[in-house]
Amino acid sequence: AQSVAQPEDQVNVAEGNPLTVKCTYSVSGNPYLFWYVQYPNRGLQFLLKYITGDNLVKGSYGFEAEFNKSQTSFHLKKPSALVSDSALYFCAVSPNSGYSTLTFGKGTMLLVSP
Amino acid sequence: DTEVTQTPKHLVMGMTNKKSLKCEQHMGHRAMYWYKQKAKKPPELMFVYSYEKLSINESVPSRFSPECPNSSLLNLHLHALQPEDSALYLCASSQDRRSSGGYRETQYFGPGTRLLVL
Repeated sequence: AQSVAQPEDQVNVAEGNPLTVKCTYSVSGNPYLFWYVQYPNRGLQFLLKYITGDNLVKGSYGFEAEFNKSQTSFHLKKPSALVSDSALYFCAVSPNSGYSTLTFGKGTMLLVSP
Repeated sequence: DTEVTQTPKHLVMGMTNKKSLKCEQHMGHRAMYWYKQKAKKPPELMFVYSYEKLSINESVPSRFSPECPNSSLLNLHLHALQPEDSALYLCASSQDRRSSGGYRETQYFGPGTRLLVL
C-alpha cells in the first residue's frame, strides 16, 4: 500500500525568505509524485509532478521540488516566498505500475508573513 | 485550457431533499472523479469514472449516486443526506491511459461545491 507523510501541520516563513514544505512517501516500485495547492474556498490546483528523469522538477508560480529516492522524499521549495503563497499544500503519490489511484498527504498550511 | 467547472458553488439542503451536483470539462479527459473534502483535510476519493463507466466506488453510501451521461459531464445525485455529509465536493478529471492500469495521470480539479445539510 502507498502512503504519504507531510510531517508539518503548518510552516511559517517571512516574505522574501526561502520556503520548504516537506513530503516523504512509501510506495512499491517507482513513484509518480505530485504537489497541489489549495487556496481558501477553492479546489486543488496542480503545481508540479515527478514521473522520471531530472530529480529537480520546476512547476507553476516559481515552485520546484526535489525528488530524493534514497530518502524517499519530494520536498516543495521556493527561493523567495510571497504573502500570496499562503495556502494549504498537498503532496500526493501513486506507484508507476499496477492499478492504483492517488494517495494524498494530510496537507501542510503555509503562512507567509509580510 | 485546464478548466473544470462545477455547479452550484454553494448548496443548502434538508435531509429529505433531492439535489444534484454537476461537473463539466472539455479537455478530452476520459477519467473523472468525485472527492469529498472536510475542512483542512485531504480530499477523499468517492468515485472514479473511466470512459463513462463507473470504475471505482470507494464504499460510498447509496444516498450518493453518480452519473456520467457523456464524456464531458459528471453528476452526483444526492438524496436523504445526513448533516455529516456537509463538506466541499470536488470534481476532477484526467487522461485515462488504460495501458498504465491506474489513475496516476495529473488530475485537474474544479472549484468545488460547498454543501451544507441541515
